[in-house]
Amino acid sequence: GAGVSQSPSNKVTEKGKDVELRCDPISGHTALYWYRQSLGQGLEFLIYFQGNSAPDKSGLPSDRFSAERTGGSVSTLTIQRTQQEDSAVYLCASSFSQDQPQHFGDGTRLSIL
Amino acid sequence: QKEVEQNSGPLSVPEGAIASLNCTYSDRGSQSFFWYRQYSGKSPELIMFIYSNGDKEDGRFTAQLNKASQYVSLLIRDSQPSDSATYLCAPRPGGSYIPTFGRGTSLIVHP
Repeated sequence: GAGVSQSPSNKVTEKGKDVELRCDPISGHTALYWYRQSLGQGLEFLIYFQGNSAPDKSGLPSDRFSAERTGGSVSTLTIQRTQQEDSAVYLCASSFSQDQPQHFGDGTRLSIL
Repeated sequence: QKEVEQNSGPLSVPEGAIASLNCTYSDRGSQSFFWYRQYSGKSPELIMFIYSNGDKEDGRFTAQLNKASQYVSLLIRDSQPSDSATYLCAPRPGGSYIPTFGRGTSLIVHP
């Protein structure tokens, strides 16, 4: 069975550009999470989707960040007008339900020049 | 939001020793915990979960939960260099709770 798939694995872009990061969760998992991890730091929660409910966006650091989840499956995290401080690894995770362990993708390493 | 505290380390132990990793939490309502392992440059992966007070053993790993003292620990017996990683604890989410991970403890097992 496939795990959580994230693409691209690496993204290098210029400051000010928009980027889209994709996450394909494990089939049947209703909960989907986005995190950010800077080098040597812990996991920073960004946003959480549970089924068809409105997402919990409380972790998004600014209005340049947005995310959507289409059809309760694939999710896209969009960062507009990227800044150098956005450079980090962006991790997506999914779980069968909110209270179950999370399964992580391999992440997207984002570098802003 | 539930707070979780972990000593960032690094915790250095010799091969074959017992490594003890600890996590304290602030919410007395937390009933169960997950332990994740994250190798350098990799994503976290679940290694243990504990749902009740006391000990849970799985191979060389033992998770311990003490609700009265609000701490959870992970013991690794016969530590191997391949155990060198960062270990994250996380309360089991529920309700409208935002998922929270401890910052993790870096473990180094030296030959």
